[in-house]
Amino acid sequence: DQQVKQNSPSLSVQEGRISILNCDYTNSMFDYFLWYKKYPAEGPTFLISISSIKDKNEDGRFTVFLNKSAKHLSLHIVPSQPGDSAVYFCADNFNKFYFGSGTKLNVKP
Amino acid sequence: DTGVSQDPRHKITKRGQNVTFRCDPISEHNRLYWYRQTLGQGPEFLTYFQNEAQLEKSRLLSDRFSAERPKGSFSTLEIQRTEQGDSAMYLCASSLVTGFRTEAFFGQGTRLTVV
Repeated sequence: DQQVKQNSPSLSVQEGRISILNCDYTNSMFDYFLWYKKYPAEGPTFLISISSIKDKNEDGRFTVFLNKSAKHLSLHIVPSQPGDSAVYFCADNFNKFYFGSGTKLNVKP
Repeated sequence: DTGVSQDPRHKITKRGQNVTFRCDPISEHNRLYWYRQTLGQGPEFLTYFQNEAQLEKSRLLSDRFSAERPKGSFSTLEIQRTEQGDSAMYLCASSLVTGFRTEAFFGQGTRLTVV
């Protein structure tokens, strides 16, 4: 039973454009969501989070949107940079962390 | 460096051998998690501790896996009689739980290869 789903295994965008990564969740009890970035051979690094009392949270080039009625969240990266190329995981924190399967982002120079 | 530390970074072992991994969390963090990740998948939950108490263990975890966190500080994850299917990246994370939701910080992971 996959609690958090990322349906796009990969995404390729041009440098300077917007990257949009999507995530769906199944459990309405989930109320705190996170995005992690992972480079090969390293552990995931926390990027940004959002509580269900909000529908948007911004941190520099990164913005996370939460649509509770659709049980959907998205991560926007604007402008995208080649250094953003990594695997991105969405996660929920409900005692432990449930992770999606990840989306590999490739930002082309 | 005050982040989460894992040792060793890499481990190659023969099938049937026992292996033990160590995790040192961020010192003030009260919660510690173990995850396993295989290629193309997200981190899969194994177990977590609140201080020294093991609060939950994944149903998918066989009896060959055991974890401890004596005194609520570092933690060890032991795999007995390793199998080739145990080959994966083993990730440790820690967080400070105070009643509010917060992020977890991950270590660099231990890459296990069972040959």
